[in-house]
Amino acid sequence: KNEVEQSPQNLTAQEGEFITINCSYSVGISALHWLQQHPGGGIVSLFMLSSGKKKHGRLIATINIQEKHSSLHITASHPRDSAVYICAVMAGGNKLVFGAGTILRVKS
Amino acid sequence: GAGVSQSPSNKVTEKGKDVELRCDPISGHTALYWYRQSLGQGLEFLIYFQGNSAPDKSGLPSDRFSAERTGGSVSTLTIQRTQQEDSAVYLCASSLALAPEQFFGPGTRLTVL
Repeated sequence: KNEVEQSPQNLTAQEGEFITINCSYSVGISALHWLQQHPGGGIVSLFMLSSGKKKHGRLIATINIQEKHSSLHITASHPRDSAVYICAVMAGGNKLVFGAGTILRVKS
Repeated sequence: GAGVSQSPSNKVTEKGKDVELRCDPISGHTALYWYRQSLGQGLEFLIYFQGNSAPDKSGLPSDRFSAERTGGSVSTLTIQRTQQEDSAVYLCASSLALAPEQFFGPGTRLTVL
């Protein structure tokens, strides 16, 4: 079993829909990251959180430390949100352990 | 630019050749990380530097892989006697010493023929 599990693996949404991507982890962590990777592009850090909730524009990230679970929400989704979203945890030391990613496609 | 830079952006090499991949971290970032993203697979950790020393090399897949960092800045990842399974995107990230937020470079796409 992977230390970081994401769901769903693939997600297709219609423009304007509310999207949720989930991440569960099995180890103690000091921080959790949500990353975005566009096709052929580099990786951008969207959020880093260790408790509670963060919001940036249409993106919201939450984490429940007791349940070892985090969610990334996208409100009013747009085709430009189409990308791979990756959950990564900082479990021991400074290295990141990554989930397999969620491929999101938003259709217009 | 103020971000993490990597070179080359693409590298095609023949099996058995050695390759060097370069990472220039953000100025002032003392921590530097190398990750690998193989086709159809997720990201995996390779090695972590704090300054010029590497306290965690646990992700290097074999002794053909090595990395060094000089002057607390530029890092080079070297792969000797490349194999086809080494084909991947190699990503570098940097961070401030005690800060968990990492900033990623654009990656080097390595193709071993």
